[in-house]
Amino acid sequence: SYELTQPPSVSVSPGQTARITCSGDALPKQYAYWYQQKPGQAPVLVIYKDSERPSGIPERFSGSSSGTTVTLTISGVQAEDEADYYCQSADSSGTPHHVVFGGGTKLTVL
Amino acid sequence: EVQLVESGGGLVQPGGSLRLSCAASGFTFSSYAMHWVRQAPGKGLEYVSAISSNGGSTYYANSVKGRFTISRDNSKNTLYLQMGSLRAEDMAVYYCARDGLGIAAAGTYFDYWGQGTLVTVSS
Repeated sequence: SYELTQPPSVSVSPGQTARITCSGDALPKQYAYWYQQKPGQAPVLVIYKDSERPSGIPERFSGSSSGTTVTLTISGVQAEDEADYYCQSADSSGTPHHVVFGGGTKLTVL
Repeated sequence: EVQLVESGGGLVQPGGSLRLSCAASGFTFSSYAMHWVRQAPGKGLEYVSAISSNGGSTYYANSVKGRFTISRDNSKNTLYLQMGSLRAEDMAVYYCARDGLGIAAAGTYFDYWGQGTLVTVSS
């Protein structure tokens, strides 16, 4: 089955830039999406269609894509950005329910 | 404001059944495909099921196919998940989520999520 691979953890100091990667063979053909999940809360969409930012999401969140890897970048990290981040995409089957999530990356703000 | 409120979770014995509900407000419910996504304790997100805006098409992850049934009542703005033959591995927080594309198409995503309801499977 198709998999998206994320690093388990990323640590940065406040004000620095955090980069979280997500790798998958179908990513050149499928959009990627990113969700932020804080403890005890529901996921929140922070990036859609590789690099688009929903309204209400701070400009410090950005997304990019290169080949089989997509990257969520958080510039000028703040303490409130500490959370789990999940990438999501689809395999290349074209079937609606073939949604795939990455395993998640815990962002720690030192 | 889009709101999704799940209910119906609780403790159920292995092999038992449970029906989850998701009450939607703040948008035209009948215009959007809807989904269920779950998260086992301390684990990542797992896709469960989808239903088209008119309920005519449904989709299931292999892990729940044949045991779970997704449905909706557009007159009540409510999404359902009927869960049967429950197993220990079904224990999770179940989230309902709105389809970001509006239709349950390949490559879709989830633009709004509810707060989730916990299903505990244990004897």
